[in-house]
Amino acid sequence: DADVTQTPRNRITKTGKRIMLECSQTKGHDRMYWYRQDPGLGLRLIYYSFDVKDINKGEISDGYSVSRQAQAKFSLSLESAIPNQTALYFCATSPGTSGKSHEQYFGPGTRLTVT
Amino acid sequence: AQSVAQPEDQVNVAEGNPLTVKCTYSVSGNPYLFWYVQYPNRGLQFLLKYITGDNLVKGSYGFEAEFNKSQTSFHLKKPSALVSDSALYFCAVRDGVKGFKTIFGAGTRLFVKA
Repeated sequence: DADVTQTPRNRITKTGKRIMLECSQTKGHDRMYWYRQDPGLGLRLIYYSFDVKDINKGEISDGYSVSRQAQAKFSLSLESAIPNQTALYFCATSPGTSGKSHEQYFGPGTRLTVT
Repeated sequence: AQSVAQPEDQVNVAEGNPLTVKCTYSVSGNPYLFWYVQYPNRGLQFLLKYITGDNLVKGSYGFEAEFNKSQTSFHLKKPSALVSDSALYFCAVRDGVKGFKTIFGAGTRLFVKA
């Protein structure tokens, strides 16, 4: 969905390197999320933000940090990448309050490989 | 705690036949239930949801799902499968009363054979 974009789409990095994944949205949504997808495990929530001043840890936040630079931008950082962080990472958004506040809208994903 | 189970890793159907992708859930409050679809190299796309009201909900691309409270299930169905329906399907649940976090199932891969 072009309304939610992620950069880069693919990245290979080495153990110990710092890496940032970026997410931008043009949907005007307040809420943004970062998930990782691993085969057979579904999606697991890393961090979420309900507005620029509100950032919260999800179920697997260890080893990750985030920054909500603006309503439209939410970046995920791996301070010191390790091989078990190899995964597909998704950014998602949802409206703060509306009839559609329950659905999430996903970006195309970033495939990260840590060697 | 919330949880979602998709008991089948893969479902195979022939084009034109009906399809069912199963999902069961557990929440302590009122369940908000969702189905998403993921095509190759794409993010997840919302298909349909149950929040309240009619137990049979209709969504995109001819899909529907039936909420069954007694069986705590929310199976995805389509009367006539298309080859283009082949994708990875995720069921998700959110506790409508106690939380906002959406928990996703592990996913079921649907193959529709021509």
